[in-house]
Amino acid sequence: VQLVESGGGVVQPGRSLRLSCAASGFTFRSYAMHWVRQAPGKGLEWVAVISYDGSNKYYADSVMGRFTISRDSSKSTLYLQMNSLRSEDTAVYFCAREDGEAGYILNSWGQGTLVTVSS
Amino acid sequence: QSALTQPASVSGSPGQSITISCTGTSSDIGGYDYVSWYQQHPGKGPQLIVYEVSYRPSRVSSRFSGSKSGNAASLTISGLQAEDEADYYCSSYTSRSTLIFGGGTKLTVL
Repeated sequence: VQLVESGGGVVQPGRSLRLSCAASGFTFRSYAMHWVRQAPGKGLEWVAVISYDGSNKYYADSVMGRFTISRDSSKSTLYLQMNSLRSEDTAVYFCAREDGEAGYILNSWGQGTLVTVSS
Repeated sequence: QSALTQPASVSGSPGQSITISCTGTSSDIGGYDYVSWYQQHPGKGPQLIVYEVSYRPSRVSSRFSGSKSGNAASLTISGLQAEDEADYYCSSYTSRSTLIFGGGTKLTVL
């Protein structure tokens, strides 16, 4: 299992950024996927989840209405569209694969991509 | 929703046992047997070490064990080793179909 995040960088407040997570080594379309972030020197914060078929999506209150999670199974890629970015969105963003049938068990993680929101 | 409550730090000597607590509410830990624990070394991504309260992935040492009582969960590491020094996070599925993490605990092996 390999998950490789990309798309991070420096962006001004109020602007947008799209993160990608390229998956390999497993049948991507069979697994729900998550985004989790970690601000510098801080703890883990769950961001969003998308079901294996993309039909269900849930978000943390802190990103609801600004971030959109999506997936393209033909490309084995997970996305996070981030709009109206704020300084508090500065973090390393990890994608993770969910294992099991319920309970949000995150058994495989990428190495993360850093997003810095600053003017 | 506020993070689950964990102690900021714990420490122990090699060979000793330590326990990290994780306190939530009836809407998360107390309502489901979906508590997980993650280990994170500096500069690395998190790694699952316990899931569904007390189960371990096959690659994880039996020195790691988890339990739950009411709205609180705990992780016990026995026979502490130097490589156990890391940050540890609990998580729980919630009634809103979201996931909540604890604030993290830094384990120091003396």
